[in-house]
Amino acid sequence: QVTLRESGPALVRPTQTLTLTCTFSGFSLNTDGMCVSWIRQPPGKALEWLARIDWDDDKYYTPSLKTRLTISKDTAKNHVVLTMTNMDPVDTATYYCARTPRGNGIDYWGQGTLVTVSS
Amino acid sequence: QSVLTQPPSVSGAPWQRVTISCTGSSSNLGAGYDVHWYQQLPGTAPKLLIYGNNNRPSGVPDRFSGSKSGTSASLAITGLQAEDEADYYCQSYDTGLSGSEVFGGGTRVTVL
Repeated sequence: QVTLRESGPALVRPTQTLTLTCTFSGFSLNTDGMCVSWIRQPPGKALEWLARIDWDDDKYYTPSLKTRLTISKDTAKNHVVLTMTNMDPVDTATYYCARTPRGNGIDYWGQGTLVTVSS
Repeated sequence: QSVLTQPPSVSGAPWQRVTISCTGSSSNLGAGYDVHWYQQLPGTAPKLLIYGNNNRPSGVPDRFSGSKSGTSASLAITGLQAEDEADYYCQSYDTGLSGSEVFGGGTRVTVL
């Protein structure tokens, strides 16, 4: 059974760095073609793809946020970590991590974690 | 503004057929990249509905179908049901700038 769960702070102050952890089970990021993505959704708005890390440690970022994002993995712990620097109120959103087998869409999603940026 | 354009809303009566368009360009759908579709019920995480243009994951009813041609793609829902009322998103890869996955702006389906 594949599961993913996001964890991290619910409230972040402006200019701070956000660190989110995705803990997954039921699959391995050592498997060829396996990837994990981060996606966010501001309240009432559309999905926005943020980043992806692949089984071979290749990393991809959305161009508009590339300078602020870092994605990493710990395959032994089944963790994927996303950091976003210089947080702003416009970054308030539900952040999802999701399993992304190469070429097959995003097939399993976590429940999401709401991050509010406010002073 | 997403590089994949969807209509903000579509509606239909129960049992009708509705289609949702996803219009891209030569840097995404037109370049041959696959399109995937997601359904998001209110207050829940998105769910994969169609992958690789026209493939349904196990458990997705065959009322849902996808197609792609050139720079456009479509999701069709036949025999519309009340539980289909949700937001739908298309997703693909775009080679613009340094390249990344992209989502469409989403379409709200309302069952009349």
